[in-house]
Amino acid sequence: KAGVTQTPRYLIKTRGQQVTLSCSPISGHRSVSWYQQTPGQGLQFLFEYFSETQRNKGNFPGRFSGRQFSNSRSEMNVSTLELGDSALYLCASSYAGTSGSRETQYFGPGTRLLVL
Amino acid sequence: QKEVEQNSGPLSVPEGAIASLNCTYSDRGSQSFFWYRQYSGKSPELIMFIYSNGDKEDGRFTAQLNKASQYVSLLIRDSQPSDSATYLCALKTSYDKVIFGPGTSLSVIP
Repeated sequence: KAGVTQTPRYLIKTRGQQVTLSCSPISGHRSVSWYQQTPGQGLQFLFEYFSETQRNKGNFPGRFSGRQFSNSRSEMNVSTLELGDSALYLCASSYAGTSGSRETQYFGPGTRLLVL
Repeated sequence: QKEVEQNSGPLSVPEGAIASLNCTYSDRGSQSFFWYRQYSGKSPELIMFIYSNGDKEDGRFTAQLNKASQYVSLLIRDSQPSDSATYLCALKTSYDKVIFGPGTSLSVIP
């Protein structure tokens, strides 16, 4: 079974631009969660989507948004990029997510975003 | 007080010993608790989750939860050099937010 894939793996943008990151979950998984990881702030939860609906959201500004498609693939978008948005963005998939059945979650390799 | 606290380490244990990783949290109403392992340069992987007070065992790993004292711990028995990684504690708070601790770096010395 193929794992979680994320594209692109690396990205360089400049301040003020916007970026869209993609995540394809493991086949059959309906939940996709997004996380931001930085050396200073550690791992932070962005949002979770389940069956095309946002089920949970972290404490990030509205510049961070996401969506999930009917095939469970998910995208996250960051508008008006700031230098502080430079980070590793991780997505993780699970069958039912962290609300509900007690089952495991698999992370993708991440997208490393550098904002100049 | 930070919402989730962990000793940053590094925690060093000899091979074969028990490694004990601790996590305290501030939201008394938190219900779901998770332990992730992250190797350097790799993505995290979920290794344990626990919802009820007490112990939960999975192979060499045991998660312990004490909601009254607001701590959750992870014990790794018969530690191996391959267990050397950063261990992240996470929880879902009573207001439905997922919060991660800063992680504890574990080094298992052969």
